[in-house]
Amino acid sequence: AQTVTQSQPEMSVQEAETVTLSCTYDTSESDYYLFWYKQPPSRQMILVIRQEAYKQQNATENRFSVNFQKAAKSFSLKISDSQLGDAAMYFCAYRSAVSGGSNYKLTFGKGTLLTVNP
Amino acid sequence: NAGVTQTPKFQVLKTGQSMTLQCAQDMNHEYMSWYRQDPGMGLRLIHYSVGAGITDQGEVPNGYNVSRSTTEDFPLRLLSAAPSQTSVYFCASRHELAGGTYNEQFFGPGTRLTVL
Repeated sequence: AQTVTQSQPEMSVQEAETVTLSCTYDTSESDYYLFWYKQPPSRQMILVIRQEAYKQQNATENRFSVNFQKAAKSFSLKISDSQLGDAAMYFCAYRSAVSGGSNYKLTFGKGTLLTVNP
Repeated sequence: NAGVTQTPKFQVLKTGQSMTLQCAQDMNHEYMSWYRQDPGMGLRLIHYSVGAGITDQGEVPNGYNVSRSTTEDFPLRLLSAAPSQTSVYFCASRHELAGGTYNEQFFGPGTRLTVL
């Protein structure tokens, strides 16, 4: 079974600075997706960024980028130029990309609560 | 498109009561699923469906029933509510994985359930 671990229950960052959220995972599969979701106080789950395991290039979406280390099974999220609106709970998640495998589910970490200080 | 809708947004039950959480999607998605979110636990899969008439259990299925009679709807039933079922419930849907194509998962807005 796959597991996802977020070792930082809480993080804080000053507005306009950079913060990195950590995530490690465990799997025996070679084909999978990794995700970062943002959950603001409205509790809506918002997809921030995804990474396909077969891609060596790290994904980037505007101020959000990842550092994907497949061999180390590490998947960190970097938020640059942090804004007050980035304050939220962030979840790292895994999904198999194997057809007929466990691709029906997302496996989530426990989350990191990010505070942005003005 | 309304996306994934859930009703109600909030619900308070007494122990032993039954209720159904509604979930609907208008994107013709094959996959639908229910997750629960508890403090410090992330989201965990309760039940899922890969199409009308087909359902299966996830990680934490006990105390919940599901059925899928149409592509659009995937209700979650609590037959006899317990305080341990106090949680936030999310419904999600996506197209079926095909040929390695990535299919984004869409989440509903959640239902906050309290069982007294």
